[in-house]
Amino acid sequence: EVQLVESGGGLVQPGGSLRLSCAASGFTFSTYWMNWVRQAPGKGLVWVARIKSDGNTDYADSVKGRFTISRDNAENTLYLQMNSLRAEDTAVYYCVTDRNSFDYWGQGTLVTVSS
Amino acid sequence: DIVMTQSPDSLAVSLGERATINCKSSQSVLYNSNNKNYLAWYQQKAGQPPKLLIYWASIRQSGVPDRFSGSGSGTDFTLTISSLQAEDVAVYYCHQLYDLPLTFGQGTTVEIK
Repeated sequence: EVQLVESGGGLVQPGGSLRLSCAASGFTFSTYWMNWVRQAPGKGLVWVARIKSDGNTDYADSVKGRFTISRDNAENTLYLQMNSLRAEDTAVYYCVTDRNSFDYWGQGTLVTVSS
Repeated sequence: DIVMTQSPDSLAVSLGERATINCKSSQSVLYNSNNKNYLAWYQQKAGQPPKLLIYWASIRQSGVPDRFSGSGSGTDFTLTISSLQAEDVAVYYCHQLYDLPLTFGQGTTVEIK
C-alpha cells in the first residue's frame, strides 16, 4: 500500500524558513517522479515543484529561487526547503507521486506564514 | 501557461441522475507522438486530499467506480458521473500534465439536489 506522510509544517514569520518532509513507502520511491502541490485555505490546487527520478527539478514561477525540492532515495524521503516565506505561501502542502498523473497524495501539512 | 477552465463552478444533481463537468484548456494537451491527452481528473472530499479518478483523459484509475468516465481530446474534456451517489459530493478538478507549469482547473463543486 502506497503511503505518503508529510511533516514539518507549522507557523512561521514572514521571511522565515521551513523544511517539509514526506516519508514514502509501499512503492519503489527512487523510480518515481515526485511533486509538491499546495492548497490555500478554501482555494484550489496549485502545483509547486517537481523532481524527476534522475534528480532534475522544476518549479512554479511563484516559488523559483525561494523553494528547493530534493529527495533522499536511500531514506525514501522527499523534501521541500522553503525560504523567504510570504503570507501568500500559507497553504496545505501535499506530497504527490507522479507516474501517469498525480497518482497518490499524502494527507498534507499546513504551513502558516504570519507575524 | 496553459489555463484550465472548468464549467460550471457548481452543480446540484438529484441522486441517481447524471452529472457532467466540462474542462477547457487554453491550448491542446494532446501529445501527438503517443496520441495521449495529458489530462487528469481528481475528486476532493471535504477535509481530504485529492484522489485521482481519471488519467490520459479517459482511463479510469484502479478502484474507481465505473460510474465515473472521462472523454474529450485536444482542448475540450468532460467528466461524467452517470448515476450520482451521496458519496460523490465533492469538488472535482481537471489537471493538465502536458506542459510546465502544471496547472489545475478552478474546481467544480458537486452537491445533491
